[in-house]
Amino acid sequence: AQKVTQAQTEISVVEKEDVTLDCVYETRDTTYYLFWYKQPPSGELVFLIRRNSFDEQNEISGRYSWNFQKSTSSFNFTITASQVVDSAVYFCALSVSGGYNKLIFGAGTRLAVHP
Amino acid sequence: GAVVSQHPSWVICKSGTSVKIECRSLDFQATTMFWYRQFPKQSLMLMATSNEGSKATYEQGVEKDKFLINHASLTLSTLTVTSAHPEDSSFYICSARNPRLAGREQFFGPGTRLTVL
Repeated sequence: AQKVTQAQTEISVVEKEDVTLDCVYETRDTTYYLFWYKQPPSGELVFLIRRNSFDEQNEISGRYSWNFQKSTSSFNFTITASQVVDSAVYFCALSVSGGYNKLIFGAGTRLAVHP
Repeated sequence: GAVVSQHPSWVICKSGTSVKIECRSLDFQATTMFWYRQFPKQSLMLMATSNEGSKATYEQGVEKDKFLINHASLTLSTLTVTSAHPEDSSFYICSARNPRLAGREQFFGPGTRLTVL
C-alpha cells in the first residue's frame, strides 16, 4: 500500500525562525516520485519541488531546502528564516507507477508564521 | 508552461440543481486531468482521473452518476455535480499533467468553491 504521513498537524513559529516539516512515505515500488506543494489561504496549490526515487541529492532553493532519505523513507522540508508569507498548508505527495501516476497526499501541515 | 484555470471560482446553488465546473490547461495539452475535493482543514481527496477521449476512472466510493466527468479535448475537462445537495458543498480542485514533462508533477487550478443551499 502507498501512504504519506505528515505527523505535524500545525506548527506555529515566529518570523526568522527555521522550521522543518516532516514527511514519511510508504511504497513497495522502486520507482516513485515525491512532491511538496504549498496551499496558501487563497486555496491554489503551488508546486514546490519534485524528487524521483533514484535521486537522493538534497536540494536548496533560496530559503527552502529538502532532505530526501530513502533509508528512513523521509522527504523533509526546511524553511530557513521563515517569513509571514510562508504561512500556508504544506502537502507532501507520492506518485507511483500505474493508475495514471496519481498523487497520494499527506494530511498536510498548517504553518503559521507570526511577526 | 503549466497554467491551469478553473471556472467558476465560486458558485452558490439551490439544492437539487446541477453545477458544471470547467478545468482548462492554458499553455499545454493535458491527456490526463484529475479532480479532487477538499473539505475544510482536510487534505485533497482524489475523486477521479479524467482521460481525453475515454471514460473517467473514479475512485472507490465516488458516485459516477453523481459526479459526471467529461474530457472532450486535450485542454478541457468538466465536472458536473448533478442534483447537488448541501453535503456536496466543498472546494473542488482540478489538476493536469503536462506529458512533455517527465516528472509526473501535477499543476493545479485555483479551485471552485461550491456552496449548496
